[in-house]
Amino acid sequence: QKEVEQNSGPLSVPEGAIASLNCTYSDRGSQSFFWYRQYSGKSPELIMFIYSNGDKEDGRFTAQLNKASQYVSLLIRDSQPSDSATYLCAVIGDGGSNYKLTFGKGTLLTVNP
Amino acid sequence: KAGVTQTPRYLIKTRGQQVTLSCSPISGHRSVSWYQQTPGQGLQFLFEYFSETQRNKGNFPGRFSGRQFSNSRSEMNVSTLELGDSALYLCASSLDRGGGQPQHFGDGTRLSIL
Repeated sequence: QKEVEQNSGPLSVPEGAIASLNCTYSDRGSQSFFWYRQYSGKSPELIMFIYSNGDKEDGRFTAQLNKASQYVSLLIRDSQPSDSATYLCAVIGDGGSNYKLTFGKGTLLTVNP
Repeated sequence: KAGVTQTPRYLIKTRGQQVTLSCSPISGHRSVSWYQQTPGQGLQFLFEYFSETQRNKGNFPGRFSGRQFSNSRSEMNVSTLELGDSALYLCASSLDRGGGQPQHFGDGTRLSIL
């Protein structure tokens, strides 16, 4: 059973701080890793994806991947109240029968003004 | 570029009925996946279609089925509805089946079973 684990939170940070969201996965064959943001009552929105070990930066967001530790994280710098949402970590294998997203349960982030 | 379009947005059905949900992927995207989201189970994979063929299936009963048309549009069907089928059903499309291709979600269909 492939699993993706996230702290359910809620994670509360003040405006302007760095929010750190963490995710571990059980399947060593996982190839690609995604972070989705989901506002209450809305559908998931892709914000970052990463394939290789190391860091990937996009604006205020940085995704970090460590395949040896089976760990992926998302850092949000200069957090804004509009970042308040549930963040979903998802992993996917290569093609074939592994081509399906497995999601964590999500971490609820609250950014306080 | 238009995103993934799902219809209808909301549905209310009673137990025992069946329902068909529709998904139009992003133009040029050929892979369509379906997911079920509930408060208790989170997001769970239902199935994936590519080139009109089901390529992958999650752990759901046979009451859940789907198909894909030559224009990549997809439908999913749930027969003999049960109370536990109440959920948000999400469709996601990607360019192809490569593991690195990100999947983009539609707004979903919220299904309520009375």
